[in-house]
Amino acid sequence: QSVLTQPPSASGTPGQRVTISCSGSSSNIGSTYVYWYQQLPGTAPKVLIYRNDQRPSGVPDRFSGSKSGTSASLAISGLRSEDEADYYCEAWDDRLGGPVFGGGTRLTVL
Amino acid sequence: QVTLRESGPALVKPTQTLTLTCSFSGFSLSSSGMCVSWIRQPPGKALEWLALIDWDDDKYYRTSLQSRLTISKDTSKNQVVLTMTNMDPMDTATYYCARNQRITEAFDVWGQGTMVTVSS
Repeated sequence: QSVLTQPPSASGTPGQRVTISCSGSSSNIGSTYVYWYQQLPGTAPKVLIYRNDQRPSGVPDRFSGSKSGTSASLAISGLRSEDEADYYCEAWDDRLGGPVFGGGTRLTVL
Repeated sequence: QVTLRESGPALVKPTQTLTLTCSFSGFSLSSSGMCVSWIRQPPGKALEWLALIDWDDDKYYRTSLQSRLTISKDTSKNQVVLTMTNMDPMDTATYYCARNQRITEAFDVWGQGTMVTVSS
């Protein structure tokens, strides 16, 4: 059971907008930054969003992040087939004294 | 260019101790704020953070595994070593090392991962 809760799956058709939620608590999302990672099949994760809503250079602006209270969301607009991957949220947890990940969301592009 | 690479045995027997090495380049673990973590991923499952060591040699461990884990660094060799004792088949996973630039910041660069199978 992951400390951060994500839906196990999401799907959309090319060009659509999809959102992936991440629910936590006051000891993690509620008190610190949220990060999002994309893991393409057979590869290591890659940071997609840092500090709630910031994109590293090279990440398309189709990807956006937001945070409100103890929840966060990743939105992907203009869905493309290459977005098919697993997405993880992550935050530092003050109570546990370390980073915690969500259970991951598998995005399927139909 | 920042890179990290994990190395270690692909197969360990139950009850044995696993030793993994993360060799990195492009940054110094003696620079203020720098950290290296170990994160694992069992087949088909989610990412699970294990341990972190920072530039000041402070160490943080996953609470549930704290008694089995030891993380250390050799700044002169640009390496971070993780040992995990009393390995169990449930520890079968891909083990990644990753860098972050503050303990609460994102893992901005990851190694490719190394698969470890625990089986007799």
